[in-house]
Order: sequence, then structure tokens, then C-alpha cells
Amino acid sequence: GESVGLHLPTLSVQEGDNSIINCAYSNSASDYFIWYKQESGKGPQFIIDIRSNMDKRQGQRVTVLLNKTVKHLSLQIAATQPGDSAVYFCAENYGGSQGNLIFGKGTKLSVKP
Amino acid sequence: NAGVTQTPKFRILKIGQSMTLQCTQDMNHNYMYWYRQDPGMGLKLIYYSVGAGITDKGEVPNGYNVSRSTTEDFPLRLELAAPSQTSVYFCASSSLGRGGAEQYFGPGTRLTVT
Repeated sequence: GESVGLHLPTLSVQEGDNSIINCAYSNSASDYFIWYKQESGKGPQFIIDIRSNMDKRQGQRVTVLLNKTVKHLSLQIAATQPGDSAVYFCAENYGGSQGNLIFGKGTKLSVKP
Repeated sequence: NAGVTQTPKFRILKIGQSMTLQCTQDMNHNYMYWYRQDPGMGLKLIYYSVGAGITDKGEVPNGYNVSRSTTEDFPLRLELAAPSQTSVYFCASSSLGRGGAEQYFGPGTRLTVT
């Protein structure tokens, strides 16, 4: 299930189950989106990206879905493993002068063995 | 390639002290960024650079300064440390601007100001 922690939403899943992490983005003009994974004590690590001319993109065990109508992004992780436990951030290109990325707050994924 | 490296890993400062956080990348990326991450929160952009000699403010630049004299290095300077600057600082680089490419992150510097 999903619960809201002190600051960070948390998703707990059983090992082997599929995980779905959701993100609402803010700017309808954003044209590029990235998902990052951040393990404890480390910097964010790129997982997968998608441009606004697509609504789905698949990687290895991960799929990103983009719904521009409701400004929603999701990350699906198939057959979740303990090594997937981390905080996941979505980021959008907000199209400023240099198109810098805006990061969401993040969702903590906990995988129970 | 070492990617993006940051030093130091940890630092404790007293209020009013100054320090420089170092960042180096060996990927020949033109674009470099400094972010801060407060506990349980996302990343906020402090400053960024689109190439040597060019820097610009991000969302939260107050209390910080940067310089970019070479493609590889992008140091972040705190002049008068304040408790509000207690955070984890991440440097990143990318090959393209306009958010058109993934950003590669360093391991971070954990700063405490007391």
C-alpha cells in the first residue's frame, strides 16, 4: 500500500510484485521528463526518460507512462527486487531559458523480501 | 571515466565561516549544475553553467557563488555559512541543455552549519 511519511510518500511492495510510482508534474509546456533513483547516501542515478511526443517508453524492467492530459507521469517496475529499494524522483524540463529540470519531492520504495 | 566527483564528502561549519565545495567532471560536458537537497525533499537548483565563463542563478542562489573557469570544474562557494544552508549538495553535468539530456550526479557533500 501507499502511506505518507513525515515528508516523503512511501510505497511498500513484496519482492517479485510490480511497483507503480506516480508523479504529477506542474508545467503543461514541459517536453522532457526523467526518472531518477536515489539510494541512501548516494547521488541520483538516471533510470529512464521520455519526451512529450511519446506516451510510453520501456527499458529493462521499467516502463514510463506519460499522460499529458492530466500532467501525470508513472514509473512501473516489473518483478521488484530488494535492490530497487530507494527514493525515486521524477523531473520535468520546465522550459526556462536553459530548460533546467524541476524535481519532484520523491517517493520512497521499500521492497519486502 | 570517473564521472562527476565532489569533495569533501562531509563538512561541519560554524556560523559565519566560508568554504568551497569542489566539483569536477571528466565527460567534457558543457552544462553543469549545483543542487541542494534538504531531508525528505527533492533537489533545488542553486546555480548552473552552460560553459566555461558562463554561469547563472537557479531557484535558490542566495548565500552562494560559483565560478566556471574550465569545462571540468564548477566550484560552489559559501561565504557566510548559516544554519539554513545545512543540506546535502549535489553537483551534476549534462551534455545538452534545455533539459534535453540526462544529468549525471556526483555522490554529494553533506554540510552541517552549527
